[in-house]
Amino acid sequence: NAGVTQTPKFRVLKTGQSMTLLCAQDMNHEYMYWYRQDPGMGLRLIHYSVGEGTTAKGEVPDGYNVSRLKKQNFLLGLESAAPSQTSVYFCASEAGQGGNEQFFGPGTRLTVL
Amino acid sequence: GQNIDQPTEMTATEGAIVQINCTYQTSGFNGLFWYQQHAGEAPTFLSYNVLDGLEEKGRFSSFLSRSKGYSYLLLKELQMKDSASYLCAVMDSNYQLIWGAGTKLIIKP
Repeated sequence: NAGVTQTPKFRVLKTGQSMTLLCAQDMNHEYMYWYRQDPGMGLRLIHYSVGEGTTAKGEVPDGYNVSRLKKQNFLLGLESAAPSQTSVYFCASEAGQGGNEQFFGPGTRLTVL
Repeated sequence: GQNIDQPTEMTATEGAIVQINCTYQTSGFNGLFWYQQHAGEAPTFLSYNVLDGLEEKGRFSSFLSRSKGYSYLLLKELQMKDSASYLCAVMDSNYQLIWGAGTKLIIKP
């Protein structure tokens, strides 16, 4: 049982480049989330999904897109990276809404130059 | 707006007790979570409170007062491995988590 995995662990991009972050969970969870974590700030929700084939915007969705084609995978895309997107990105999954703990992946540390 | 406040940093001594406070103002309330995050690692779940009162789980306890918009996490018999950041998060009326910036706890021998 791997839990929640994320790839890659580290990445350096130049401004304007694109990339996709992959999140996978093997717990059969319906809900999945993408957060970013910046120094001195709380985790901020980028996008989330309540089930296969669904996605919704969170607090800070601009500059990101997501897809949930399979229940176990949740992809986060950056079409044209900007230095403001330098951050640590965490994926999380949850069995169902309300009162359930979220399980987090190990994070992806992204630097945009 | 929605706001979660917790101290930025606290220091405590090994073997002692420490209380980390969290106050919140959110649109709706569907529970409050505490997570632990070691440096460079992912957050891990510690506790969930939805009703007023104290929930005890081993060395860790969490308290909630909904009328005061207040919670605390109590850590007893502190160990060096408890050095970490402690994140308070509130589930709002849309069932989304609003996160505090975290409290970095430093344990000294």
